[in-house]
Amino acid sequence: QSALTQPASVSGSPGQSITISCTGTTSDVGGYDLVSWYQQHPGKAPKLLISVVSNRPSGVPNRFSGSKSGNTASLTISGLQAEDEADYYCSSYTTRDILVFGGGTTLTVL
Amino acid sequence: EVQLVESGGGLVQPGGSLRLSCAASGFIFSGHNMNWVRQAPGKGLEWVSYISAGSSTIDYADSVKGRFTISRDNAKNSLFLQMNSLRVEDTAVYYCARSYCTAGSCYDYWGQGTLVTVSS
Repeated sequence: QSALTQPASVSGSPGQSITISCTGTTSDVGGYDLVSWYQQHPGKAPKLLISVVSNRPSGVPNRFSGSKSGNTASLTISGLQAEDEADYYCSSYTTRDILVFGGGTTLTVL
Repeated sequence: EVQLVESGGGLVQPGGSLRLSCAASGFIFSGHNMNWVRQAPGKGLEWVSYISAGSSTIDYADSVKGRFTISRDNAKNSLFLQMNSLRVEDTAVYYCARSYCTAGSCYDYWGQGTLVTVSS
């Protein structure tokens, strides 16, 4: 199962909005509304940000939102803050009944 | 408070073995499917293995199939990963993670990870 495709890096200034894409195939992203997003700060464990495409778990700020169109899912962060600087990973359920992750995107807040 | 605490990592030579443990607390461990996910230094996340709540369903990534064995002891709230025939490319931080969402499609709690280094 190949990893999902994410841009290696994105950047934005405080207060701006950024979007991270996550591209897969009809066997994963396109086939199920079961995409999740994780935030990982250096040296820390990943933290669930978004589940089932657009659901925010309790405690996650509403600045974080998710969407999906066809084989591509997206994470949008609005009103960027310094603490948003981290690595972001998407994941998707697949036809093999397992999860596959994206390669990760490093967000730099300028 | 949900807690997952991994242990058992360390330095091992290629071809060697290691057994990782994950101690769970703060939730009904026997009611949740569990996973191991790893992250090589400077790399992304890779799902490694899955075990259902009652151990009836188990799966592995192709990269570890035949070498790694996942198991759990619900009486002791513990998850395990027996790693044999270790390779240099198995070097990574190994996380245990609790399945959540529809079809276990997301992991809502993760441990802090344990580092496995395979080197001669």
